[in-house]
Amino acid sequence: QKEVEQDPGPLSVPEGAIVSLNCTYSNSAFQYFMWYRQYSRKGPELLMYTYSSGNKEDGRFTAQVDKSSKYISLFIRDSQPSDSATYLCAMINAGGFKTIFGAGTRLFVKA
Amino acid sequence: KAGVTQTPRYLIKTRGQQVTLSCSPISGHRSVSWYQQTPGQGLQFLFEYFSETQRNKGNFPGRFSGRQFSNSRSEMNVSTLELGDSALYLCASSLSGDNSPLHFGNGTRLTVT
Repeated sequence: QKEVEQDPGPLSVPEGAIVSLNCTYSNSAFQYFMWYRQYSRKGPELLMYTYSSGNKEDGRFTAQVDKSSKYISLFIRDSQPSDSATYLCAMINAGGFKTIFGAGTRLFVKA
Repeated sequence: KAGVTQTPRYLIKTRGQQVTLSCSPISGHRSVSWYQQTPGQGLQFLFEYFSETQRNKGNFPGRFSGRQFSNSRSEMNVSTLELGDSALYLCASSLSGDNSPLHFGNGTRLTVT
C-alpha cells in the first residue's frame, strides 16, 4: 500500500464548477500538507501549505486537512480553463527531510 | 528572486553512458532535493542534501548519486544508464529541508536510447 493515495483521474469539469481533489494517507506522523499544480513541461508549483488539521483559504483555493480521517482536500471555486493541470498532494512528517507525493490528479476545465 | 534553475532541459543518452544534471537553488535556500518523475511511478524521492551532507536517500540503486557544493548548488549523476532511467528529473530547494515546502525547477528530461 502506498503511503499517499490519490485518484489519477482524469477529472473533467465545465468552467465555473467547484472542483474537489482529494488524497488519503496512511502515516499518522505526517504533519505538513501541501498541494502543487503542475502544467505540462513544467515543474510542480506550490499552491497551498498547511500544518496539521484545519482549513486554509487563498483566493479561489481552499485546502482542508482532517488528520483523524487521514484525508486532505483541495477545493477550487469558479474553475477556469487555466486551472487545467495536474494537481499533486504532498506531505511530510515533523522533522522529516523527505516529502512524499501522491500520484497526481489530471484536471481538465472545459470552456 | 530567481527560481530553481536546472540544466540542461533536455538530454538524450545511450544505454551504458553516464550523465550529470545540475541544479541551482533559490538564493538563501540551503536544502536541495531530487526527484524522478515518470508516468507510471509519479514523483519518486532520490535524495536530499543540506550543507553539503546527504540527509536522506530514496530507494534507488547506487548508480544514482548526488552532491551539494558550498554555495548550495547541487548535481546528480547517473552511471551506466538503463532504458528505464528515462524520466523527468526534478530538483527542488527549500529553506532548511525539514518541514519547509519544496520549490521546484522545470526539470531535466532525460531520454535513454
